[in-house]
Parts: sequence; C-alpha cells; structure tokens
Amino acid sequence: EPEVTQTPSHQVTQMGQEVILRCVPISNHLYFYWYRQILGQKVEFLVSFYNNEISEKSEIFDDQFSVERPDGSNFTLKIRSTKLEDSAMYFCASLGQAQLYFGPGTRLTVT
Amino acid sequence: EDKVVQSPLSLVVHEGDTVTLNCSYEVTNFRSLLWYKQEKKAPTFLFMLTSSGIEKKSGRLSSILDKKELSSILNITATQTGDSAIYLCAVSGGAQKLVFGQGTRLTINP
Repeated sequence: EPEVTQTPSHQVTQMGQEVILRCVPISNHLYFYWYRQILGQKVEFLVSFYNNEISEKSEIFDDQFSVERPDGSNFTLKIRSTKLEDSAMYFCASLGQAQLYFGPGTRLTVT
Repeated sequence: EDKVVQSPLSLVVHEGDTVTLNCSYEVTNFRSLLWYKQEKKAPTFLFMLTSSGIEKKSGRLSSILDKKELSSILNITATQTGDSAIYLCAVSGGAQKLVFGQGTRLTINP
C-alpha cells in the first residue's frame, strides 16, 4: 500500500540553525500538508500546498517557515532560524479519497 | 475560529469494557468529521463521517455523526490492550484542511 515517507525520523539542531524536513507524499495525490504536534498537545495545521503554491497557512507559519516542492516527488518544510519552541513532531500528509494520509513524522529537537 | 473539543481527555478501563469517546465541533462550512488513532507516531485513519445518523463500523469500533448536535461518538466494544492509544477527532471545514481536537488518551488495563 502506498504511504507517505518522511526523513529524517529525528533531527537535533541548535537554536538559530536552519533545518529542512523532507517528505515524499503519495504519488498521485495533489494536496500536501504540514502539521506539527508539540509534546502532549494537539496536532496543529501549519500549511497546505496545491499546484506548486501555498493554498492556506496558519498563524504559526510565519516568515521563518517555507515550503517547497523542488521536484516531482519531494515536499520540504524549511525553518530558517529555529527556536526552542519549534521543538515538536512534524507530520507531512497528503490528501487522497477525501482523507489525509500522514507520514511517520520527524521529531525536531531544538537545543 | 474553528474548534474541536474531545472528552474525556483521559480514560482508563479494564480489558473487555466498552468505551464511548466524544467529539464536538464548531466549524464553518462543515464537510466531514474524521477519527484517527495515534499510537507511537503518525495518526492512522479510522473513520470518515459526512452524513448524520449513519453508523460506520469496523470490527469492534463504530462511530456516528450528529450534525444537529454538532458532535460525534466513537465506540469501542470488548476493548483489548492493543486499543490503548490517543484517539483524535478532526473536522474538515473547508480549504481541504483538518482541525484537530486535543485527543482522548485511552488506556486499557489487562
């Protein structure tokens, strides 16, 4: 069964550093998403992406965040200058048959 | 602002018990309500509900939507230790995005 994949599974970075989280959505899906989940808190929407552009973003998704689909398969989330409060699990998802398929997540730890 | 509230936040029962998890929502342009199970990492899909009063079943799990009450319940009968997880309710209110509740942490003791 096709699935969303994410790399790395765990990323540790120092405050102020840039990180890029990578995702490969399911190949025939058209809508892609990033969500995050701070430990013990709810899953929060960050951004949706369709037709090579952002279709919606939340208040969390400020100028420090960007997304890109550099080729036909990868979908990336970049955080330019990480803060301690960016530590969370980041889930990529793609939309198919009216439901979201989530990747396994990248645990980002900012020290 | 779209909102999804789940109750209880935490539930501990014995194996074999039946549990009912609740989800209520306030959302503009409601499209669907989804239930997910989250064990260690990513949420895994359980049900999608779009029509009021129609029960969806999968084994020991079932769910129903009440659009008049803006709510849904998830039932699990004859619970097993493998049912221990966080159960997430999410609502699609347009723009193809989901708004999640805070989840119910279910613990099944042997």
